[in-house]
Parts: sequence; C-alpha cells; structure tokens
Amino acid sequence: EDQVTQSPEALRLQEGESSSLNCSYTVSGLRGLFWYRQDPGKGPEFLFTLYSAGEEKEKERLKATLTKKESFLHITAPKPEDSATYLCAVQAGGGYNKLIFGAGTRLAVHP
Amino acid sequence: GAGVSQSPRYKVAKRGQDVALRCDPISGHVSLFWYQQALGQGPEFLTYFQNEAQLDKSGLPSDRFFAERPEGSVSTLKIQRTQQEDSAVYLCASSLNAGRGEGYEQYFGPGTRLTVT
Repeated sequence: EDQVTQSPEALRLQEGESSSLNCSYTVSGLRGLFWYRQDPGKGPEFLFTLYSAGEEKEKERLKATLTKKESFLHITAPKPEDSATYLCAVQAGGGYNKLIFGAGTRLAVHP
Repeated sequence: GAGVSQSPRYKVAKRGQDVALRCDPISGHVSLFWYQQALGQGPEFLTYFQNEAQLDKSGLPSDRFFAERPEGSVSTLKIQRTQQEDSAVYLCASSLNAGRGEGYEQYFGPGTRLTVT
C-alpha cells in the first residue's frame, strides 16, 4: 500500500535556527514527490516537485531533496512568515495522478 | 492570474440534508481533483476528472457522494443525506495536463468547510 509519513508532527524554531523536515514514503513506482505549504484556513500552496533520487530544488530559504526512500525539506535561517503546515505528497505509477499526502509538519518560527 | 475558486467557503448543514459544493478550476486546466481534509490531517483523494470524463472515483467514501464536470470546466461535488462524519474541508485542485513534466503540479482552491450538525 502506498504510504507517506512525515516527521516531526510539530516543530518550533527560533528565527534564524535552521532545521529539516522529513518525508518517508513507500510507493509502487514513484512518478513524483510534491511539497506544499498550507496556512490556516487556506488551501495547499505548491512549492516543489521532485522526480528522481538525487534531485534538489531551491526557493528562497527552502531546499527540497529526494532519495529513494525519503525527502527532506531544509529551511535555512527561517523567519516568522515561514510558519505554516508543510505537506508532502507522492504520485504513484499506474494510477491517474492522484496525490497521496502525509499528515504534515506544523512549523512555528518565533522571533 | 485567477486561481482555483470554490464556493461556498463555509457550509452548515443539518444531518440528512443534501449539499452541493462548486469548484472553478484555472482556465484551460485539463485535470480536476477533489480531496477531503479532516482536521489535523493531510488531504485525501476523492475523485479525478480529465476534461469531462470521471476517470477515477475510487476515493468516494459512499454512494452518497457524487461529482460531475459536464462541460469540462466547472465541477460540482454533491453529498446526499449528509452525516456528521462528512464534516471536513473539501478541496478542489486542477492541473494543466494529465501527463508527467511541466504543468503536472496541482493547484488548490481555498476549500469549502462543511459542518454537519
């Protein structure tokens, strides 16, 4: 069964304190791994797509990496506006493009 | 440009009532998805349309749930005889095409929060 597990469930950081969020997955034939950001009361906002092991993508203070079993979202020198829930999702081969999500990591960055 | 829009944003229904939730995808997007998100959880897939064809409805939890996209643009998710366990946020997403590569990512609307009392 295709599955996504994110850790930690919640993370509290001081402004400027770098850290990483983990997304472990088991999937039959990975077609893509996606990172989204979700603010309270809003829909998920697309951040990155990774397609193959070894791939990396960056956007401002965020960098996403991918291995054959997990992905990391590295946050460098976070600011309070980075506070949100970060969701990881996979697309499996053989299906019709549906996303299978993890439960998310709630990130709080304090000044 | 305009993103995915959903209406209503909030809906309160009494148990047993029927509800209809609307999604306006990004113009020109071929693929449209519906997801259900419980509090503190990630979204869970309900159903998928490619243009007007409903190609995957494996995530619909019961035959009380019905979705349509008759002209390949706007979609409606209908829930008949609502139950308390239907309370959740219903998210709609669209993507430009149905293949792999550019235009593959899904863009989400703000969701409709359904509360069944």
